[in-house]
Amino acid sequence: EDQVTQSPEALRLQEGESSSLNCSYTVSGLRGLFWYRQDPGKGPEFLFTLYSAGEEKEKERLKATLTKKESFLHITAPKPEDSATYLCAVPPSNDYKLSFGAGTTVTVRA
Amino acid sequence: SQTIHQWPATLVQPVGSPLSLECTVEGTSNPNLYWYRQAAGRGLQLLFYSVGIGQISSEVPQNLSASRPQDRQFILSSKKLLLSDSGFYLCAWSWELSYNEQFFGPGTRLTVL
Repeated sequence: EDQVTQSPEALRLQEGESSSLNCSYTVSGLRGLFWYRQDPGKGPEFLFTLYSAGEEKEKERLKATLTKKESFLHITAPKPEDSATYLCAVPPSNDYKLSFGAGTTVTVRA
Repeated sequence: SQTIHQWPATLVQPVGSPLSLECTVEGTSNPNLYWYRQAAGRGLQLLFYSVGIGQISSEVPQNLSASRPQDRQFILSSKKLLLSDSGFYLCAWSWELSYNEQFFGPGTRLTVL
């Protein structure tokens, strides 16, 4: 069964303390991996799409990378405004819909 | 640019009452539309999707239904709400049915008492 697993579930960082979030997937024939940011009480905000191993995308302090089995979201020198839940999603191998991970909740303290 | 709207933003309803949540998309034509539910502390559960007017596919059998009366309008309904229907309801759209990123609306927080 296709699965998307995110780790850790929660991450508490000090402002400026860089770290990484992991998204591992078991779908075969990856057809895209998507990262979203979700603030409390709001809808997910699209961040990145990655399509092939080795691909990298950057936006401000965020950088997403992709391997054949997992993706990492690196947060460099985070600020309190980077606090949010980060979700990853992939289309299952036999379907067009998106399978979402449970998310990683990041809290950045000033 | 494309914009997606949902209303109401919050809703408190008694058990057994009807429900109607609306989603509209601006700035695009023929979008694929989706309804998700996000329970507290849990992931996103796809409820319905639509590839065109009047075309609805259900992912989870329950007392909810969806309709798409216009190209850019998607409605989630129920005749009688259950306590378990409480949650955060999200509408999303995408350019194509397969392998494309989805863009989410602001959501509706539904509390059934």
